[in-house]
Amino acid sequence: GDSVTQMEGPVTLSEEAFLTINCTYTATGYPSLFWYVQYPGEGLQLLLKATKADDKGSNKGFEATYRKETTSFHLEKGSVQVSDSAVYFCALSDQAGTALIFGKGTTLSVSS
Amino acid sequence: DTEVTQTPKHLVMGMTNKKSLKCEQHMGHRAMYWYKQKAKKPPELMFVYSYEKLSINESVPSRFSPECPNSSLLNLHLHALQPEDSALYLCASSQDLQLGREKLFFGSGTQLSVL
Repeated sequence: GDSVTQMEGPVTLSEEAFLTINCTYTATGYPSLFWYVQYPGEGLQLLLKATKADDKGSNKGFEATYRKETTSFHLEKGSVQVSDSAVYFCALSDQAGTALIFGKGTTLSVSS
Repeated sequence: DTEVTQTPKHLVMGMTNKKSLKCEQHMGHRAMYWYKQKAKKPPELMFVYSYEKLSINESVPSRFSPECPNSSLLNLHLHALQPEDSALYLCASSQDLQLGREKLFFGSGTQLSVL
């Protein structure tokens, strides 16, 4: 079945460092891909999405490119801030497009 | 209004209690979802309602009973829960059931503890 694999955390960075969180997927067909962020004590918020190959999603300085050839959707940010500390989930829409399949989540901790 | 509101935010209940979780949205969304999230784990889909009809039930035990009284409200009735049911319960909504190009809006969740 469809699945998402993302790098294990926690990821600990200093402010202004470069961030990469790896995400790869297994799916039949052409799923849409998402990054969600969860701040402590809150629900999930959509960070960015891409719906077809070579699409780049971007928001708040974060970017991810849908790479069909490597089945990847890595999240990047050029300069992280303390306020970016959160759990980041990579996800894909299933074949029917009716539900999200999430990766295990990666905890990011940014210190000043 | 782009919010999904969940009440209560925290709930402690015994294994013989009956309680309900509530979720409300006023975005005109016609698909609503219940997810369960254990600590340091991803959310797991429980139920999906589309146009107030149950569309997906991911083999959830019958001690969890969903209800969608109208297009804005979603309830989750709890009865005879077990301690392992303690988790964050998240409600979400989307414009309709086809998620591929849509966006899920999540509530902040109800943190449930079963004693």
